[in-house]
Amino acid sequence: QVQLVQSGAEAKKPGASVRVSCKASGYTFTSYGITWVRQAPGQGPEWMGWFNTYTGDTTYSQKFQGRLTMTTDTSTTTAYMDLRNLTSDDTAVYFCARDGVHLWLEYFFDFWGQGTLVTVSS
Amino acid sequence: SALTQAVSESGSPGQSITISCTGTSSDVGGYNLVSWYQQHPGKAPKVIIYDVTKRPSGVSNRFSGSKSGNTASLTISGLQAEDEADYYCCAFAGSGTYVFGTGTKVTVL
Repeated sequence: QVQLVQSGAEAKKPGASVRVSCKASGYTFTSYGITWVRQAPGQGPEWMGWFNTYTGDTTYSQKFQGRLTMTTDTSTTTAYMDLRNLTSDDTAVYFCARDGVHLWLEYFFDFWGQGTLVTVSS
Repeated sequence: SALTQAVSESGSPGQSITISCTGTSSDVGGYNLVSWYQQHPGKAPKVIIYDVTKRPSGVSNRFSGSKSGNTASLTISGLQAEDEADYYCCAFAGSGTYVFGTGTKVTVL
């Protein structure tokens, strides 16, 4: 069965960086993209960016340009999200999600990771 | 900017409710690529509608979607206690980007 399993909660200080991992299983990794979404406490989800696992192309929300990097390791079917120069506004649950855009033209997120809480506080 | 949704909607068991999601001609109105997600507390979102009107396998046919201009709608018919959750719309906004809605909390009275 399709599973996306994320790394555990992180506590960071302002100005630091965080890496969240997302281990995919149960499907052909390069046949689906990986999208990252975050959700601040009590808020709606916020789309952060997308990684084309087939070509390695990325699309980032303008809001995160310059401090967000998405990568994958196809040998371990793991996606990574790195966010730099953290502030308290980055405190949120970060989700990875699967999409079928690049091969299936499926513009929605059908499987999600369990979420990773990142807390930024001095 | 986030798509606009009512903060809350409520209904009694068996009733129908409709949740609206208003965007612009650059997102909701520009593409038939609106999806809806149900989220229970502490859980990840779950897709219940995609491409405006389509339901993924396994999702109840009590959920239906539609769109008119820059506003998409989700209707839940035959409301059940398990439908109590937060609901978010999401629209493709061009150039590989997406925008989510502000969310609607559904309460079953």
